[in-house]
Amino acid sequence: QKEVEQDPGPLSVPEGAIVSLNCTYSNSAFQYFMWYRQYSRKGPELLMYTYSSGNKEDGRFTAQVDKSSKYISLFIRDSQPSDSATYLCATFTGGFKTIFGAGTRLFVKA
Amino acid sequence: DGGITQSPKYLFRKEGQNVTLSCEQNLNHDAMYWYRQDPGQGLRLIYYSQIVNDFQKGDIAEGYSVSREKKESFPLTVTSAQKNPTAFYLCASRPGQGGYGYTFGSGTRLTVV
Repeated sequence: QKEVEQDPGPLSVPEGAIVSLNCTYSNSAFQYFMWYRQYSRKGPELLMYTYSSGNKEDGRFTAQVDKSSKYISLFIRDSQPSDSATYLCATFTGGFKTIFGAGTRLFVKA
Repeated sequence: DGGITQSPKYLFRKEGQNVTLSCEQNLNHDAMYWYRQDPGQGLRLIYYSQIVNDFQKGDIAEGYSVSREKKESFPLTVTSAQKNPTAFYLCASRPGQGGYGYTFGSGTRLTVV
């Protein structure tokens, strides 16, 4: 079993839709959770960062962590074609090693 | 502007050759990382370095080597011992231990011809 599981998609939605991206993880010791956005042929960029459980909102993006079910989510409201990218979830316990999900490809159609 | 510079953007290697990928950062970050990205497999850690003159193997270090002689630089050599080197290679850095996200470079696409 992978430590972080993420559906690779692709996920295709119309412009303006609410997008829900999800990951599950296996180790209850993970404390830090991140979402990265990666455009084609580019390096990932940090989008959202949360510690432990709860929600964090930044503009159209909301990151949610449910530690009881080991489930992390990223919601995108009013999705735009410019949101089309691969979204990677990531987590670690502290220290130096981060574990990434495989990434979900998102297409937002105009 | 601070950031990470990877070069070259595209690299072609013949069978049996060693190649070196460059990674330079001006963020004053202590920790630097090399990841390999293949379709459907996410990012896999090759090597990482927490301080100058020190580095550790990641999950897939076989066939790769690194050095960390300067804080700003963390080059990766893909040796002929790496049997399947065609991939997208990403260098990243972060300030140090703890809850900080990575800053990534723009990547190097290596193709064996």
